[in-house]
Amino acid sequence: GNSVTQMEGPVTLSEEAFLTINCTYTATGYPSLFWYVQYPGEGLQLLLKATKADDKGSNKGFEATYRKETTSFHLEKGSVQVSDSAVYFCALRTKTGANNLFFGTGTRLTVIP
Amino acid sequence: SQTIHQWPATLVQPVGSPLSLECTVEGTSNPNLYWYRQAAGRGLQLLFYSVGIGQISSEVPQNLSASRPQDRQFILSSKKLLLSDSGFYLCAWSEFGANVLTFGAGSRLTVL
Repeated sequence: GNSVTQMEGPVTLSEEAFLTINCTYTATGYPSLFWYVQYPGEGLQLLLKATKADDKGSNKGFEATYRKETTSFHLEKGSVQVSDSAVYFCALRTKTGANNLFFGTGTRLTVIP
Repeated sequence: SQTIHQWPATLVQPVGSPLSLECTVEGTSNPNLYWYRQAAGRGLQLLFYSVGIGQISSEVPQNLSASRPQDRQFILSSKKLLLSDSGFYLCAWSEFGANVLTFGAGSRLTVL
């Protein structure tokens, strides 16, 4: 089956610290991979994506590389800011069907000044 | 450009009362539409999705229902709310065949 496992939080970091949020997946075929971000009180926004192996998605200083050999899509940022405090969701989408987006449980990040 | 609207933003309802959450999408045709629930401390749970008018697929048995009376309108309903229905409800849409979902701002439901 298809599933996403991501690092449980919460994660608390000081400003300018390095961030890694782990995400691994199980999927049939070759899924697309996503990171969504949910700021307090808001809906989810797409942060970045990668559609095939070895692709690197990047946005707002965040990066994630699609690693087929380790079935991973870890989210990284070199220097976090207070404004990065949010819940981060890893997700995969298979190629067929409308019901084909699978989310991880989310990781809450708090960045303190 | 496409936009998604979801309302009400917050709702406090007593147990046993009815529910209606609405979602509309503008700027696109024949979108796939979704309702997700995010319970406190938990991830996203897909409740319903729709690929067309009147076509609803349910992912989780529950006392909620969904309807799609128009191409760009998706409604989440309940006849009698339970305490366990409390949560953050998110509507989302995607273009047919596309792999990115766009989410609404969410509706926070508290059942007392």
